[in-house]
Amino acid sequence: SYELTQPPSVSVSPGQTARITCSGDALPKQYAYWYQQKPGQAPVLVIYKDSERPSGIPERFSGSSSGTTVTLTISGVQAEDEADYYCQSADSSGTYEVFGGGTKLTVL
Amino acid sequence: QLQLQESGPGLVKPSETLSLTCTVSGGSISSSSYYWGWIRQPPGKGLEWIGSIYYSGSTYYNPSLKSRVTISVDTSKNQFSLKLSSVTAADTAVYYCARHLSRELKAFDIWGQGTMVTVSS
Repeated sequence: SYELTQPPSVSVSPGQTARITCSGDALPKQYAYWYQQKPGQAPVLVIYKDSERPSGIPERFSGSSSGTTVTLTISGVQAEDEADYYCQSADSSGTYEVFGGGTKLTVL
Repeated sequence: QLQLQESGPGLVKPSETLSLTCTVSGGSISSSSYYWGWIRQPPGKGLEWIGSIYYSGSTYYNPSLKSRVTISVDTSKNQFSLKLSSVTAADTAVYYCARHLSRELKAFDIWGQGTMVTVSS
């Protein structure tokens, strides 16, 4: 079955730039989406269509794609950005959806 | 403003069927623009997509769960439902219902608050 691979954890100091990667063989063919999830809360969509930002999401959140890897970048990280981040995409034929294993972002 | 709310038993016995309903308010589930989905999250673990449905009844499921899952829609009640059969402790999770961003873009842009389901005798 198809898998998306994320690093389990990323740590950055406030004001620095955090980069979270998501790798999968079908990513050149399928859009990727990113979610932020804080403890006890439902996930929130922060990036769709690889790099588009929904309304209400701060500009410091951006997405990019290169080959089989997509990247969520958070510029000028703030304490409130500490959360789990998940990527989502589909298999190569768009038959089913898959989530990455999640990355815990720690703001030092 | 569109809202989704999950409902159903919080405790299910092993080997039985888990049944949950998602009620959509503030908008119509019959909109031709959206799919509607179920996602779950075991305690302390990541998200797992279960399956999704279009208002017409067209469905697609996670291959790993497909043999046990049925998702249906009731447009008259503005609801869609999940049934997961032959449950085990591994099915213990927070279950979320959510709306896909569009028919083409399968991101989930609106989520319910989630409901915890425990499988235990």
